[in-house]
Amino acid sequence: NAGVTQTPKFQVLKTGQSMTLQCAQDMNHEYMSWYRQDPGMGLRLIHYSVGAGITDQGEVPNGYNVSRSTTEDFPLRLLSAAPSQTSVYFCASSAGGDEQFFGPGTRLTVL
Amino acid sequence: GQQVMQIPQYQHVQEGEDFTTYCNSSTTLSNIQWYKQRPGGHPVFLIQLVKSGEVKKQKRLTFQFGEAKKNSSLHITATQTTDVGTYFCAGRSSNFNKFYFGSGTKLNVKP
Repeated sequence: NAGVTQTPKFQVLKTGQSMTLQCAQDMNHEYMSWYRQDPGMGLRLIHYSVGAGITDQGEVPNGYNVSRSTTEDFPLRLLSAAPSQTSVYFCASSAGGDEQFFGPGTRLTVL
Repeated sequence: GQQVMQIPQYQHVQEGEDFTTYCNSSTTLSNIQWYKQRPGGHPVFLIQLVKSGEVKKQKRLTFQFGEAKKNSSLHITATQTTDVGTYFCAGRSSNFNKFYFGSGTKLNVKP
């Protein structure tokens, strides 16, 4: 099993550009989530999903969209990137909200 | 809103000394998880506590969940250089299917 995979590993965007961060898991987990990690602030929940076709907002959802068309994939979309979105983004999955398995992360810089 | 506070932010210890990090929630939690993140890495699950007053041990690590399910602690006995990293607690709200991470405690162990 590959576990949780994320692409790309690094990305530099200009303000106003859009992009999609990819996340996939091969463990058949229903629960998937996106976090951002900023220095001194731990991980903050952006959006999460409890199954295909179901998504909900976390603590910091503004500026981000998600969709969950399959159990395996949970992409995160930035519609118009802003410097405040410079961060490290982690995707995680779990079975029923228990142990969360994290991907390796995407380091995003917005200029 | 939901908050999980974690202290201390940093801890520097001599190898062999003990270490403790504490988490406090503003509301009752359904469960709490602990994660370790090595520099440049992603969070890795350590343990989950569910029951009021629960105590779990993993070798030199002892985890506690408070009677009111609002606080938790992680204690490491006789630290080793391999314990270096940032330790996070993540509390799951009893009302919603969300996890709230503490800001983390960064542990440095001097040999």
